[in-house]
Amino acid sequence: QQQVKQSPQSLIVQKGGISIINCAYENTAFDYFPWYQQFPGKGPALLIAIRPDVSEKKEGRFTISFNKSAKQFSLHIMDSQPGDSATYFCAASITNFGNEKLTFGTGTRLTIIP
Amino acid sequence: GAVVSQHPSRVICKSGTSVKIECRSLDFQATTMFWYRQFPKQSLMLMATSNEGSKATYEQGVEKDKFLINHASLTLSTLTVTSAHPEDSSFYICSAIYIPSEQGTEAFFGQGTRLTVV
Repeated sequence: QQQVKQSPQSLIVQKGGISIINCAYENTAFDYFPWYQQFPGKGPALLIAIRPDVSEKKEGRFTISFNKSAKQFSLHIMDSQPGDSATYFCAASITNFGNEKLTFGTGTRLTIIP
Repeated sequence: GAVVSQHPSRVICKSGTSVKIECRSLDFQATTMFWYRQFPKQSLMLMATSNEGSKATYEQGVEKDKFLINHASLTLSTLTVTSAHPEDSSFYICSAIYIPSEQGTEAFFGQGTRLTVV
């Protein structure tokens, strides 16, 4: 049972455009929603994360929008750049005193074209 | 942010031999570390949870005798792939839980280890 569904599987965006990746979750106990960026041959790097007490969080060009009632959250990359080309994973976990297991989405391969 | 170092980044070994992968939290103590396996163009698959000073907890379907995990200190966890076979070839990634404040925790990942069994 896939608890976090991610779409699209791949995405091509023109330089300067907005990249939008969506995730939906099923378990209402999830209370932490991070996004990770992964380059080929590297481990995932934490990009930005949100908790359910806010509906939006912005860090530089990256914004998370969170809709608790719909059980959905999305990543928006503004002014997308070729250096943003990578695979992005959403994830979710339940706070458990340092034992949080992340449930990952299936990933989105983002390509930014000039 | 917190740094997690994984070593080696790449390893090639002969079938039947064992390979050890190290995962270190460099600037924080990690009571809990996780080990993942990732196949090409796929998501991360959790293999096991490593807790300092206790036995690891393995996910369903993961052979604990093949994938030995030791979490001997608050900054080091090791994964040993025993009697490796070509089907064990994969990208292995560790993560450590960082607790920056009472408001929550964050997971940081190592650089990954590309294991090739020939």
